[in-house]
Amino acid sequence: KQEVTQIPAALSVPEGENLVLNCSFTDSAIYNLQWFRQDPGKGLTSLLLIQSSQREQTSGRLNASLDKSSGRSTLYIAASQPGDSATYLCAVRNTGANSKLTFGKGITLSVRP
Amino acid sequence: ETGVTQTPRHLVMGMTNKKSLKCEQHLGHNAMYWYKQSAKKPLELMFVYNFKEQTENNSVPSRFSPECPNSSHLFLHLHTLQPEDSALYLCASSQDSTGDRGYGYTFGSGTRLTVV
Repeated sequence: KQEVTQIPAALSVPEGENLVLNCSFTDSAIYNLQWFRQDPGKGLTSLLLIQSSQREQTSGRLNASLDKSSGRSTLYIAASQPGDSATYLCAVRNTGANSKLTFGKGITLSVRP
Repeated sequence: ETGVTQTPRHLVMGMTNKKSLKCEQHLGHNAMYWYKQSAKKPLELMFVYNFKEQTENNSVPSRFSPECPNSSHLFLHLHTLQPEDSALYLCASSQDSTGDRGYGYTFGSGTRLTVV
């Protein structure tokens, strides 16, 4: 059974800092990995999708990497801003019929002005 | 807006009420999902529909009844709920659940449900 872990559960950093959010998963047989952002009380916004054959994806100040063999992904946020404050969730989609997403519990990020 | 619309955004209902949540997408996706998000817990998959057919029921109590009349619409009918059912209910869609898995999921903004 796939398990996704995100540690720490919460993180507070000063504005302008570059930071890395970690995600680990137990079963490397995945099709893809997706990073989402969730603001309090809101739905999920997809940030980056990495296919199992890819090593990284970039969008603006965000860069996500994937090391499938070691079961790890990182989300790098450059020059963090207060507007980046949110919960960041990692989810993996396993191989196999009717595969579905398995989510981590998320990392709640607070960027201090 | 992400392309997946959920209504209502907030719902307060008594334990004896019957209500429905609605989800709509016009992304051309063929798979739709209901997730439950409770405080301090990972998202829990509830139901999966692929081409209007239910392909997964993740041991959800019968007081939750899904309906998928077509690939663009998904409902969650609620009756005789318990206070512990209070949560954020999220709808999502994807290209399909069995085909090209290279596509990601698109989520709606959710319905915040409070059972009193």
